[in-house]
Amino acid sequence: NAGVMQNPRHLVRRRGQEARLRCSPMKGHSHVYWYRQLPEEGLKFMVYLQKENIIDESGMPKERFSAEFPKEGPSILRIQQVVRGDSAAYFCASSPRLFSGTPGELFFGEGSRLTVL
Amino acid sequence: QKEVEQNSGPLSVPEGAIASLNCTYSDRGSQSFFWYRQYSGKSPELIMFIYSNGDKEDGRFTAQLNKASQYVSLLIRDSQPSDSATYLCAVPPLRSGGSNYKLTFGKGTLLTVNP
Repeated sequence: NAGVMQNPRHLVRRRGQEARLRCSPMKGHSHVYWYRQLPEEGLKFMVYLQKENIIDESGMPKERFSAEFPKEGPSILRIQQVVRGDSAAYFCASSPRLFSGTPGELFFGEGSRLTVL
Repeated sequence: QKEVEQNSGPLSVPEGAIASLNCTYSDRGSQSFFWYRQYSGKSPELIMFIYSNGDKEDGRFTAQLNKASQYVSLLIRDSQPSDSATYLCAVPPLRSGGSNYKLTFGKGTLLTVNP
């Protein structure tokens, strides 16, 4: 049973380019969460999605960032016109149902590390 | 502003020693606490969970919670080089309203166990 799969694992972009990060949840999981880990910072919640729905995007920056989880295919976190401050590790997590805080329900991927030159 | 604080380390211990990792939190009403282990370049992995005051033991790991003092710690007995990783403390929202996924993480403590 494959875990949460993220790709690319490493991505380098120049300022002004677009970055697309993909996340395939664990089999049987329909809830996806994105977190960002800035250098020297803890992981911070960005957005929670179910298939075809954004449920909670309260942690997303107001501009340039968007996320989707289409009916078919992986969830995608898109960053337009990247700036150096977007350099971070972006982690995706999934759960089989809304995460209730019960241990063992939430699984993280290995992250995508974005470097903006 | 809710915060979770951890000593970033690095914490270096010899093989076989007890490693003690600490976490303090600002929200007095927080109910449950998670410890994640993250190897370099890998995903965070849940290793301990505690919600009651006192100690909770699982193999070589013991989580200790003191709600009055607002700290939670993780002890690793008989430390092994394979325990070398960053340990993250995480706290769900106080009043979740169904938003337990909004975990607040500390910055993590880097532990190095020397053979």
